[in-house]
Amino acid sequence: SQQGEEDPQALSIQEGENATMNCSYKTSINNLQWYRQNSGRGLVHLILIRSNEREKHSGRLRVTLDTSKKSSSLLITASRAADTASYFCATARGSTLGRLYFGRGTQLTVWP
Amino acid sequence: GAGVSQSPSNKVTEKGKDVELRCDPISGHTALYWYRQSLGQGLEFLIYFQGNSAPDKSGLPSDRFSAERTGGSVSTLTIQRTQQEDSAVYLCASSREGLAGGTEQFFGPGTRLTVL
Repeated sequence: SQQGEEDPQALSIQEGENATMNCSYKTSINNLQWYRQNSGRGLVHLILIRSNEREKHSGRLRVTLDTSKKSSSLLITASRAADTASYFCATARGSTLGRLYFGRGTQLTVWP
Repeated sequence: GAGVSQSPSNKVTEKGKDVELRCDPISGHTALYWYRQSLGQGLEFLIYFQGNSAPDKSGLPSDRFSAERTGGSVSTLTIQRTQQEDSAVYLCASSREGLAGGTEQFFGPGTRLTVL
């Protein structure tokens, strides 16, 4: 079963704008990760935030985590057409070795 | 190799046939995972290997699905008597370890399976 739910399901913006995607989950976690997928193929890891962290930055990416609300957000600043992709959040639970629980993803389209 | 590789990249088969999908993880990664993704959906976990053993195979949808890993490296996912609902992209991932802490997973490009 899937763990996370991203919203919106689809997001369309212009280059230069910021894109914010949200993720909610249902059970306690060890960490939450964001992945990017181009053209329905392999996923690329973007960032990992641990359950005791509240915010993390990596380049133009900013991730927040609110464990009390069981939610996370991914912000991409100054978006580019090359950021067009599907973005997935995935959670790692302490009770389950190794596996990640993925949401259905947000399809981001950035128009030049 | 530099990354996770999977073969074949595409596989078209007839209903009822058996298929084998292969995954070569990143050298030295002890944990290996199989997921599948149907069109427009998220990733569905299938099985997790730590070394050659599979401590979590809870995601395998039926007994037609099996997987093995040998030498702590290459893994094959076998689907017997394929059905049309097996059509999906099958993704393999590896990580340095598969501890409950959950580390970054590195994904292969996937195998797109089409069952006619």
